[in-house]
Amino acid sequence: DAGVIQSPRHEVTEMGQEVTLRCKPISGHNSLFWYRQTMMRGLELLIYFNNNVPIDDSGMPEDRFSAKMPNASFSTLKIQPSEPRDSAVYFCASSPRRARDQPQHFGDGTRLSIL
Amino acid sequence: GESVGLHLPTLSVQEGDNSIINCAYSNSASDYFIWYKQESGKGPQFIIDIRSNMDKRQGQRVTVLLNKTVKHLSLQIAATQPGDSAVYFCAETSNFGNEKLTFGTGTRLTIIP
Repeated sequence: DAGVIQSPRHEVTEMGQEVTLRCKPISGHNSLFWYRQTMMRGLELLIYFNNNVPIDDSGMPEDRFSAKMPNASFSTLKIQPSEPRDSAVYFCASSPRRARDQPQHFGDGTRLSIL
Repeated sequence: GESVGLHLPTLSVQEGDNSIINCAYSNSASDYFIWYKQESGKGPQFIIDIRSNMDKRQGQRVTVLLNKTVKHLSLQIAATQPGDSAVYFCAETSNFGNEKLTFGTGTRLTIIP
């Protein structure tokens, strides 16, 4: 099992630039989650999808953030324009069924630094 | 609001000893609980889970205990090894039909050789 694959692993860019984070969930998993982790706020759920459909995006901080899941094997999280306060580690996770029954499996994250 | 929190932010244990990491939750509707381990530079890794209809569940060297009366969850690691050094998170979800996991703040476990 390849696990959840995220790219890039590290991203450093200047504020104002567009940032796109990518995620490939585990094959056969139909739920996908995007999280942000910072020292101050810990792990925060940003948005999650079931069967490629966004279910809850209440954690998305502002309109600068958007996420898509065009098919079952790919999702993107985009920040435009980026700001220094967006610096964090962004994780993608997937689960085979509803999270209340099955644990979410995480990728190794994208460490994002906005200068 | 509802939250999941940890009592101890750091814990140091001698190698070979047992460790206990605690977690308190406030949502009485929580029905599924998970412990994750996060090593430096990696994502959270699933360790063990437990449903609300159970009080105890055992894995390899790990045991999770659930006390619904006081809304308390613990993770016991037996015969700790250097590789157990990491940050441990508890997470919970409720039976309201959504799939959100609420994570605790984490406990950093350090195994002293």
